[in-house]
Parts: sequence; C-alpha cells; structure tokens
Amino acid sequence: AQTVTQSQPEMSVQEAETVTLSCTYDTSESDYYLFWYKQPPSRQMILVIRQEAYKQQNATENRFSVNFQKAAKSFSLKISDSQLGDAAMYFCAYRADFGNEKLTFGTGTRLTIIP
Amino acid sequence: NAGVTQTPKFQVLKTGQSMTLQCAQDMNHEYMSWYRQDPGMGLRLIHYSVGAGITDQGEVPNGYNVSRSTTEDFPLRLLSAAPSQTSVYFCASSTPAGGSYEQYFGPGTRLTVT
Repeated sequence: AQTVTQSQPEMSVQEAETVTLSCTYDTSESDYYLFWYKQPPSRQMILVIRQEAYKQQNATENRFSVNFQKAAKSFSLKISDSQLGDAAMYFCAYRADFGNEKLTFGTGTRLTIIP
Repeated sequence: NAGVTQTPKFQVLKTGQSMTLQCAQDMNHEYMSWYRQDPGMGLRLIHYSVGAGITDQGEVPNGYNVSRSTTEDFPLRLLSAAPSQTSVYFCASSTPAGGSYEQYFGPGTRLTVT
C-alpha cells in the first residue's frame, strides 16, 4: 500500500521569507500524481499544486513550487515571499495512475507565518 | 456552479443513533469519495464511487454505508454512531476528463458522537 509521510508537524516562517515543507512517499508504481493541498482555518481543502510523475520538470504556481525527486520519492513544497494568508495546514497527497481517483494523504504540516 | 455541497455543517449525535451525511455535486463528475479527518492523521478514505450504482470501500469503511443512485448525490450513512466516529467528514468529486486530476472538496461536516 502507498504511504505518504510528512515529518514536520509544525513549521514557522517570517513574513516575506521562504519556507520548504517536506514530503516523502512510498510506492511501487512508476506513474502517479502528487499534490499539495492547503487547509486554512475555514477547513476548506484547496489544491495548491500538482505534479505528474512522468514529468521531469518541477511544477510551479506563482509563489509555490515543488522539488520532485522521483528516485528518492521526495516531493517538497517551497513557498516564496510568504504571506499571512499562507498560514494553514498543508497536506501532501498521492494518487495512483489512470483509473484510480483515490488519494492517500500525509498527516499534514501546520505552517505559521510570523509578521 | 455550487461545486460540492455538504449538509449539515455540524452535527451532534448520541451513541447508537443513526444519521445520513449528505453530499451533492453539480459538475457532472463521475468520481465521488468520502474522507474523514482526525487530528494527527490527515484525511483517510472511507468509501468511494466511480459512477452511479458503483461503490467500493476505502481505507476505513467499517461503520459506514454508502450508495450512489444518481451522478449528483453520494450520501454517507452511519447506522449506529460510536464515539470513535467523531471526526470531520469531507466529500470530494473528480473526473478523469480533461486530465486535471483535481479532486474538489466540500466544506466538511463536523460530527461529534457523545
């Protein structure tokens, strides 16, 4: 079974600085998808960024980027120019390839932004 | 589009009571899922459906029933509530069409069983 591990229960960063959240996963599949979801205090789950395993290029969405290391099974999220609105729980998630919509989540990292 | 809607937002049950958590989506998505979120454990899959009339178990299905009679609705039933079912429940939907692979989540239902 696939597992997703987030080893940092809590992180904090100064406003406008850069922070990196870690995620590792275990799978025997070669094709899969990885996601970072943000959950603010409203508890709504919001997709931040996704990465297809077959793509070598790391995904980027504005201030959010990933460092995808397929051989190491590592998928970290970098948030640049941190803003107060980035404060939230961040979940890493794995989805197997085609025909399987099930997501496996990590336990989350709570990110605090220090003004 | 309303997206994925869930009712109620909050619910308190006594042990042994039954209830149904409602989930509906208006995006014509084939796939729908139920997750529960517990402190320190992330989200775990309870049941999912790949289309009307088709459901299957996820990681933590015990104590829950589902059915999918229409594309739009995917209710989750608790037949005899237990304190261990105190949690936040999320419904999600997605479609393989378009290649986005994004799951859209509802706002969640916070359930307390006393």
